[in-house]
Amino acid sequence: SQTIHQWPATLVQPVGSPLSLECTVEGTSNPNLYWYRQAAGRGLQLLFYSVGIGQISSEVPQNLSASRPQDRQFILSSKKLLLSDSGFYLCAWSPGTGGYSNQPQHFGDGTRLSIL
Amino acid sequence: GENVEQHPSTLSVQEGDSAVIKCTYSDSASNYFPWYKQELGKGPQLIIDIRSNVGEKKDQRIAVTLNKTAKHFSLHITETQPEDSAVYFCAAPPDNTGGFKTIFGAGTRLFVKA
Repeated sequence: SQTIHQWPATLVQPVGSPLSLECTVEGTSNPNLYWYRQAAGRGLQLLFYSVGIGQISSEVPQNLSASRPQDRQFILSSKKLLLSDSGFYLCAWSPGTGGYSNQPQHFGDGTRLSIL
Repeated sequence: GENVEQHPSTLSVQEGDSAVIKCTYSDSASNYFPWYKQELGKGPQLIIDIRSNVGEKKDQRIAVTLNKTAKHFSLHITETQPEDSAVYFCAAPPDNTGGFKTIFGAGTRLFVKA
């Protein structure tokens, strides 16, 4: 069966420090991968998605970047964190075959990022 | 582009009662409608989905209905239990974007009182 792992679960970082959040998927090949941010008590904002190694699409201009160095690895980064980067970051995957619009997304358990 | 509206934002029911959450969407080309449940400190988990070629789907105590003409779909939870307390999200991937940009509703926080 497929599993998705995110780490760390929680992270406290000072303003201006760098960031690296990692997500890996097991049990499937060539998945579509996603990074979302969720503000407290709010909905899901899509940040990045990827359909293959090295292929990244950005949804909103921001202080963050994403990379996909391997088929089942997705990394969210920042060179200098801002206070506004605080939030709950979720990684998700969906099957890379078939009609994209007919596939559910499977989420990891998220990273709660606090910027001080 | 697709717009998904979800109501109510908060719902409180007595244990054993039914709960209904409704979503409306704008893109008539959308053809897949999942529902996710998010428990505190966890990621959303798919609980049920429906495709546009059916009007209703049921899985034990939960069911989803779809009205393509009116462009709305609803989640029904019967015989609610305290463990149903969570935030529920509907979603509608707009077909003309290949489904990547899944548009989520704002969420409904369900409280089930014992």
